[in-house]
Amino acid sequence: EAGVTQFPSHSVIEKGQTVTLRCDPISGHDNLYWYRRVMGKEIKFLLHFVKESKQDESGMPNNRFLAERTGGTYSTLKVQPAELEDSGVYFCASSQHLLAYEQYFGPGTRLTVT
Amino acid sequence: SQQGEEDPQALSIQEGENATMNCSYKTSINNLQWYRQNSGRGLVHLILIRSNEREKHSGRLRVTLDTSKKSSSLLITASRAADTASYFCATVGGSQGNLIFGKGTKLSVKP
Repeated sequence: EAGVTQFPSHSVIEKGQTVTLRCDPISGHDNLYWYRRVMGKEIKFLLHFVKESKQDESGMPNNRFLAERTGGTYSTLKVQPAELEDSGVYFCASSQHLLAYEQYFGPGTRLTVT
Repeated sequence: SQQGEEDPQALSIQEGENATMNCSYKTSINNLQWYRQNSGRGLVHLILIRSNEREKHSGRLRVTLDTSKKSSSLLITASRAADTASYFCATVGGSQGNLIFGKGTKLSVKP
């Protein structure tokens, strides 16, 4: 079974540019989560999809971040325009059932904004 | 808000030694989980302990939970160089299953 995949693995962009991160969850997993780890800080929840619906986006830092999950399969997270403080590692995770407890994480996308 | 908070922040040991990491949390929980992150890779689920359990084993891992102190510990016995990684405790926040992580403990096992 293929795991959660994320693309790209690393992105370096300049302040003010736009970046789109992609996450492909495990097939059949309805729940998809985005998390972020800023350098030296804890991993923080960003938002949660159930299929194509946003269930909880309370962790999204501001309106420069836009997440979508069209068709309930893969998800994208767009940052526009990027700021220096957006640098960090963005993780995606999926789980089959709500409160299935174990979430399966992708390898993350390391975003560097210069 | 930060839920789990691990200590120490960094731990360096020799192969064969035991490694103990601690985690404290703030609110009531149904379960507590431990994850590992190897450099450049995603987080891997290690073990889950429910709130009505006090101790749980999985291979070389032993997890304890003290709900009265809101704390948990992860013990790795007979450590190996391959155990070098960051370890995070996590609890479930809210009703939607999102995880709340601590800052993690960076474990270095020297051969």
